[in-house]
Amino acid sequence: GENVEQHPSTLSVQEGDSAVIKCTYSDSASNYFPWYKQELGKRPQLIIDIRSNVGEKKDQRIAVTLNKTAKHFSLHITETQPEDSAVYFCAASRDSSASKIIFGSGTRLSIRP
Amino acid sequence: GAVVSQHPSRVICKSGTSVKIECRSLDFQATTMFWYRQFPKQSLMLMATSNEGSKATYEQGVEKDKFLINHASLTLSTLTVTSAHPEDSSFYICSARDWGSRGLYKNIQYFGAGTRLSVL
Repeated sequence: GENVEQHPSTLSVQEGDSAVIKCTYSDSASNYFPWYKQELGKRPQLIIDIRSNVGEKKDQRIAVTLNKTAKHFSLHITETQPEDSAVYFCAASRDSSASKIIFGSGTRLSIRP
Repeated sequence: GAVVSQHPSRVICKSGTSVKIECRSLDFQATTMFWYRQFPKQSLMLMATSNEGSKATYEQGVEKDKFLINHASLTLSTLTVTSAHPEDSSFYICSARDWGSRGLYKNIQYFGAGTRLSVL
C-alpha cells in the first residue's frame, strides 16, 4: 500500500539556524504534498503544501521542494525561532475527492536558545 | 482558516460502555471526513474515511463493528467506539476535507482538536 517515510524522527537545531526534514513516498500517482505542524496538545495545522506541477514553494521562512522523479520532498525552515518547536508531519495524497492522505511518522523539532 | 469542531475533548468511561465522538465542519461542507488515532509521540494513523451518505471505508486492521462511523450530513461525522476496553484508550482526531470551496486552495484537510479517550 501507500507509504510515506519521514526523517529524521527528532531534530535539534540552534536558534537562527536552518532545519530540514525529508520525506519519500511510494505512490507515484501522488500529486499533493501538505506539511502539518502539531504543537504539544494541539491539533495539526497546515503550514504549507505543494502540488506536483511545481518543484518549489516558499512562504516567508518555510519552503518545500519536490522531486517527483525521485519521489522525495523536503521542508526547509530558515532562521529558526523558539516557536518553531513542534512535531512536523509530511503527507502525500492524490488530488481527488476520493483519495486519502497518508502521513509520515513525524519529526520532533526542538530549537535550542 | 476553516474550523472543524470535535466534541468531546476528553472522555473517561468504564470498560464495556460505548462512546460517541462528533466532528463538525463549521464553515464549509465536507463530503469526506477522516478519523485518525494518535498514540503518544507517534504519527496519525488513519482509521477510516467517512463519506457523506455512504458507508465508511476502513483501513486494514480496523474493526468496523468496533468503530462505527456515521456521516449523515455534509457537516457532521460521528465515531462511536462500541464496548470500549482499556486498549481503546487513545487520542482520536478527525479531519474534514475542504474541496475547492475556499479561495485558491482545494483538497485541504482541517483537523479537529482531538478527543482523549480513557477507558477504565
